[in-house]
Amino acid sequence: DSGVTQTPKHLITATGQRVTLRCSPRSGDLSVYWYQQSLDQGLQFLIQYYNGEERAKGNILERFSAQQFPDLHSELNLSSLELGDSALYFCASSGGVGSLEQYFGPGTRLTVT
Amino acid sequence: GENVEQHPSTLSVQEGDSAVIKCTYSDSASNYFPWYKQELGKRPQLIIDIRSNVGEKKDQRIAVTLNKTAKHFSLHITETQPEDSAVYFCAVSRPGATNKLIFGTGTLLAVQP
Repeated sequence: DSGVTQTPKHLITATGQRVTLRCSPRSGDLSVYWYQQSLDQGLQFLIQYYNGEERAKGNILERFSAQQFPDLHSELNLSSLELGDSALYFCASSGGVGSLEQYFGPGTRLTVT
Repeated sequence: GENVEQHPSTLSVQEGDSAVIKCTYSDSASNYFPWYKQELGKRPQLIIDIRSNVGEKKDQRIAVTLNKTAKHFSLHITETQPEDSAVYFCAVSRPGATNKLIFGTGTLLAVQP
């Protein structure tokens, strides 16, 4: 157990819909990263938050957005879902400045039908 | 952008043999090189990492070596066991405002009993 939690574990929804994935980092960690894992694209960085502020963006679609709340949990919002958005979505957390190790949560498996 | 190549994509060894997985990267400013193990349907689990000021690091049966000049690093697993069977990912990050990880494409390791 990494100490990072994610909900829900599984999500099945239809094209065009909107979903929210939730992540709680390890106690004391300030950074949250979101990654998408699909068969054809591998593990890809989406976005990072540090202590409530957006720190970096990767190949994140405009239909996707995220935020980190004062209690440091984060939510990833996916809208206008397409079949190609079906994937495993992981969040990872790490500590403060100088802390490089990232610990992954169990992931949310999103299936868009 | 940063590119990470990982080889081989699949590796089958007999129990007790050694396994070596190699990654090459393009950004010479990269300074952090973790390895993750992912079992089917589970989260990526950090198993070992190395920073750019170190050439080799060992932890029991696993080791990582780094050649900064050639821009490659390798994972070595000795005395492999069936429970080592999984997908292994290398990753790199560079210093800066973000420590986002850029992942290799993964290696499926199968240890035959």
